[in-house]
Amino acid sequence: DTEVTQTPKHLVMGMTNKKSLKCEQHMGHRAMYWYKQKAKKPPELMFVYSYEKLSINESVPSRFSPECPNSSLLNLHLHALQPEDSALYLCASSQDNGGLNTGELFFGEGSRLTVL
Amino acid sequence: KQEVTQIPAALSVPEGENLVLNCSFTDSAIYNLQWFRQDPGKGLTSLLLIQSSQREQTSGRLNASLDKSSGRSTLYIAASQPGDSATYLCAVTGGATNKLIFGTGTLLAVQP
Repeated sequence: DTEVTQTPKHLVMGMTNKKSLKCEQHMGHRAMYWYKQKAKKPPELMFVYSYEKLSINESVPSRFSPECPNSSLLNLHLHALQPEDSALYLCASSQDNGGLNTGELFFGEGSRLTVL
Repeated sequence: KQEVTQIPAALSVPEGENLVLNCSFTDSAIYNLQWFRQDPGKGLTSLLLIQSSQREQTSGRLNASLDKSSGRSTLYIAASQPGDSATYLCAVTGGATNKLIFGTGTLLAVQP
């Protein structure tokens, strides 16, 4: 069983809605990640948080807004999304070895997002 | 720019066969390589992590090898079972950005 928990598992939203995806881990990891995965494609990195600070933003549109309230939680706030944003959103965590991020990544089960 | 390729893209084998999945990467300056399994519509499950200083890792029926100099890794699955059917992804971490770069994946089907 994964030790990274994502909620909700499924989300359907309109283009004018505001919603949030949540991720939680209790492994003491200090690096947390958001990935986006389209069907039959590998995951694509969106954001990396290291010690609760945003360390990587892969030029993601501002309609996606990440937040790391504490070392165990990671949120992804969604606003004014487009139908092409429909995808599986995956959260992951790892040990943070002084910024090298060389630890094993553990993924959650993902949140399946559909934008109508 | 690091590029990770997996061959074959899809593989179908009868139950009980031993099989090898391949992963190649263009930049050998990696910190580690990780193999994942993904069932349809699900998240990724970590199978094996090989640090750059290691040559191989084993877990049960799985054995992963790493040859940094040639930019290759293989995942060996012994005595395959229908429950092994899934997409297998390799991913490397390294370079200036330390980002995890995923391969294109191999879709494995083990026929009963």
